[in-house]
Amino acid sequence: AAGVIQSPRHLIKEKRETATLKCYPIPRHDTVYWYQQGPGQDPQFLISFYEKMQSDKGSIPDRFSAQQFSDYHSELNMSSLELGDSALYFCASSLSTGANEQFFGPGTRLTVL
Amino acid sequence: AQSVTQLGSHVSVSEGALVLLRCNYSSSVPPYLFWYVQYPNQGLQLLLKYTTGATLVKGINGFEAEFKKSETSFHLTKPSAHMSDAAEYFCAVRGFYNQGGKLIFGQGTELSVKP
Repeated sequence: AAGVIQSPRHLIKEKRETATLKCYPIPRHDTVYWYQQGPGQDPQFLISFYEKMQSDKGSIPDRFSAQQFSDYHSELNMSSLELGDSALYFCASSLSTGANEQFFGPGTRLTVL
Repeated sequence: AQSVTQLGSHVSVSEGALVLLRCNYSSSVPPYLFWYVQYPNQGLQLLLKYTTGATLVKGINGFEAEFKKSETSFHLTKPSAHMSDAAEYFCAVRGFYNQGGKLIFGQGTELSVKP
């Protein structure tokens, strides 16, 4: 069965650079969630989209922005990167916000040097 | 607001022994509860979930959990641990009326299985 695809899987950036993470949800899933997991931490919710509209916002820095496109894929744009942004970024998808289960992608490991 | 507390950041059991990972939640509305497993450098895989109905839920790999409203708990158990069960386990809650659907995770419990 098709799963959530995230690209790239690994990304190394310098401080103050920008990064773009991409997420391709499971076909027909209309809802995408982004989570950030720091080293040894639990995943923290960043932002979510339903039918291309932002549906909820968590502890996402103003330096980050995200959107969901007409084909339901989503991109997380991160600017002015800081060392503390180094983390594993997960995307999850579900079929509508009322669905019970979120399916997680393998994550993008971002390292900021 | 919902929250989740996992008791014990590290649990170590012997192979073949009972696995018990504790999770308590806080929610003002009937919660949806989940257990996810994360292997090193991998994503999160759903083990099991409670939404409504039967309070004892069975998941993959022989795991099960019981929703106890009176104790606000959703502990994860497995009768006999395998070496392959060694991983990080996260309990998560999503509020019933939360239209955004975000998951709120506990701090995680690292399970070690000794031969």
